[in-house]
Amino acid sequence: GQQVMQIPQYQHVQEGEDFTTYCNSSTTLSNIQWYKQRPGGHPVFLIQLVKSGEVKKQKRLTFQFGEAKKNSSLHITATQTTDVGTYFCAPNAGNNRKLIWGLGTSLAVNP
Amino acid sequence: KAGVTQTPRYLIKTRGQQVTLSCSPISGHRSVSWYQQTPGQGLQFLFEYFSETQRNKGNFPGRFSGRQFSNSRSEMNVSTLELGDSALYLCASSTDRGYGYTFGSGTRLTVV
Repeated sequence: GQQVMQIPQYQHVQEGEDFTTYCNSSTTLSNIQWYKQRPGGHPVFLIQLVKSGEVKKQKRLTFQFGEAKKNSSLHITATQTTDVGTYFCAPNAGNNRKLIWGLGTSLAVNP
Repeated sequence: KAGVTQTPRYLIKTRGQQVTLSCSPISGHRSVSWYQQTPGQGLQFLFEYFSETQRNKGNFPGRFSGRQFSNSRSEMNVSTLELGDSALYLCASSTDRGYGYTFGSGTRLTVV
């Protein structure tokens, strides 16, 4: 079955440093969604990528979808303490709308 | 508009009992999905309902069941609770296009 690997599992940065998390799939994806979960909170939808090579930006966040549609990344420029949380990728490989969630990357930011 | 509402927020049950959790989706959202979240396993998909029909199902035992009502509200039931069922149970709703899911705050279930 489809597997999703998200790396790194944990990342600790100083405020102001950049951060990147990667999501790799064993199969070609239809689309991929990204979510953020703050400590003690619930996942919040950030974005969906659909097209091969797609790049989308939200302020300091940059999302990329690989050319082969098997991987994706989320890059945060100049992290802030408000970026703390776990970032999940949730790819969809087929038309059944069933998302396969990665284990997430937990980001800690030192002020 | 109101978000996804899950009740109750916290539950403590004894092993062997059964439990029912409720989820009210965002108005207009007909798709409701349920997830189990534990520290070691991340988010595990339980099932998705759309227009009162189960559309997708995860790899959970038959003790986990759900249903959806005509007003799109959904319930999930876990029978014969086990200690390993202790988790945060999250409900998420979306439109039929599935562009992004809106999650509720979850029900934290503790089985003792």
